[in-house]
Amino acid sequence: SQQGEEDPQALSIQEGENATMNCSYKTSINNLQWYRQNSGRGLVHLILIRSNEREKHSGRLRVTLDTSKKSSSLLITASRAADTASYFCATDARSGGYQKVTFGTGTKLQVIP
Amino acid sequence: DGGITQSPKYLFRKEGQNVTLSCEQNLNHDAMYWYRQDPGQGLRLIYYSQIVNDFQKGDIAEGYSVSREKKESFPLTVTSAQKNPTAFYLCASSIGIDIANTEAFFGQGTRLTVV
Repeated sequence: SQQGEEDPQALSIQEGENATMNCSYKTSINNLQWYRQNSGRGLVHLILIRSNEREKHSGRLRVTLDTSKKSSSLLITASRAADTASYFCATDARSGGYQKVTFGTGTKLQVIP
Repeated sequence: DGGITQSPKYLFRKEGQNVTLSCEQNLNHDAMYWYRQDPGQGLRLIYYSQIVNDFQKGDIAEGYSVSREKKESFPLTVTSAQKNPTAFYLCASSIGIDIANTEAFFGQGTRLTVV
């Protein structure tokens, strides 16, 4: 089963607007990451936030983490057409003594020029 | 250049055939993963490996097999037992052992089509 679920499933905004995507997860985590995927390509890592952090910035990206609500949000400010992609959250999880990364279902973002 | 390479980019398979997807990394990462992605959906974990000669089933391992004979290589075989193999397959690697640093690096994917 999926650990994380993104909301909304799809988002369409005008260039220059801000885009906010949310991720909810079920079990305790050590860290949470956000990835981007252009259509038909591999995923690219955007940002990692640890469980003891509440907010992190990277360029036009701002990520928040609320471990009490088991949720995270990704904000892209001043969006550009090139930001059009799918965005996934990913959480680490221990399973039978092993560590693995599990991904949510993604938010498909379209930025209209 | 360090990175993770998947080949081929496109693969066509006849029903009843086994096919092997290649994944190679030169990042010296211990952990490697195989994911399946269906159109408009998220990633589902097929198999993962933390160290050489060891691997674990993910959420949808039925009909797939893997090997990890070398640290840099983690090939995935899609067997004839996989009922619906047409999908986009993504390989990833991460440092792995340190659970606080699990940024995953992805290959560009292999699109498998059964004809």
